[in-house]
Amino acid sequence: GEDVEQSLFLSVREGDSSVINCTYTDSSSTYLYWYKQEPGAGLQLLTYIFSNMDMKQDQRLTVLLNKKDKHLSLRIADTQTGDSAIYFCAESIYAGGTSYGKLTFGQGTILTVHP
Amino acid sequence: DVKVTQSSRYLVKRTGEKVFLECVQDMDHENMFWYRQDPGLGLRLIYFSYDVKMKEKGDIPEGYSVSREKKERFSLILESASTNQTSMYLCASSPLYRGRDEQFFGPGTRLTVL
Repeated sequence: GEDVEQSLFLSVREGDSSVINCTYTDSSSTYLYWYKQEPGAGLQLLTYIFSNMDMKQDQRLTVLLNKKDKHLSLRIADTQTGDSAIYFCAESIYAGGTSYGKLTFGQGTILTVHP
Repeated sequence: DVKVTQSSRYLVKRTGEKVFLECVQDMDHENMFWYRQDPGLGLRLIYFSYDVKMKEKGDIPEGYSVSREKKERFSLILESASTNQTSMYLCASSPLYRGRDEQFFGPGTRLTVL
């Protein structure tokens, strides 16, 4: 079945870059996603990447996709204390050619940014 | 702005009680989802619905049921709450497939079962 794996914790200093890693198993995924969950809130979509892309950049965020190794990463440049949150990677689940919008989420990486 | 609301932010119930968690979305989305979130386990799908009165089991449906009588509302029911159902419950919705499966989440309900 589908499986998405992330490391649980990452701690960085303010101003440094953060890199959050994720591995996934479903090679048929067309999109992969990064969601952010701030304390006491639901998840919000941060960014996504189409599977035929290797890289996507959006301001301080860079997403790298290695399809051969099924590895996804999220780099946050100039990390700020406001970036402290839980970050989830996710992939679409397909069965019989349709996803019904279902996603498989990783365990979430708790990012702590120290002043 | 897409809005997904959940009926309670915090809920405390006793073992054996019947518990209703309500979720409402205002963007006319076809798909709706219920997850539970536990530390170290991420989000696990309990049930989802792709249309009114349609429901499908997710990965961990045991001990739960759902109801979708109207398009905008998706209810999660714990028939007889147990302590191992203490968790954060998240509701999400998404439109019919449009190339990518972006889900919009509510703020969550933290349920404690004593």
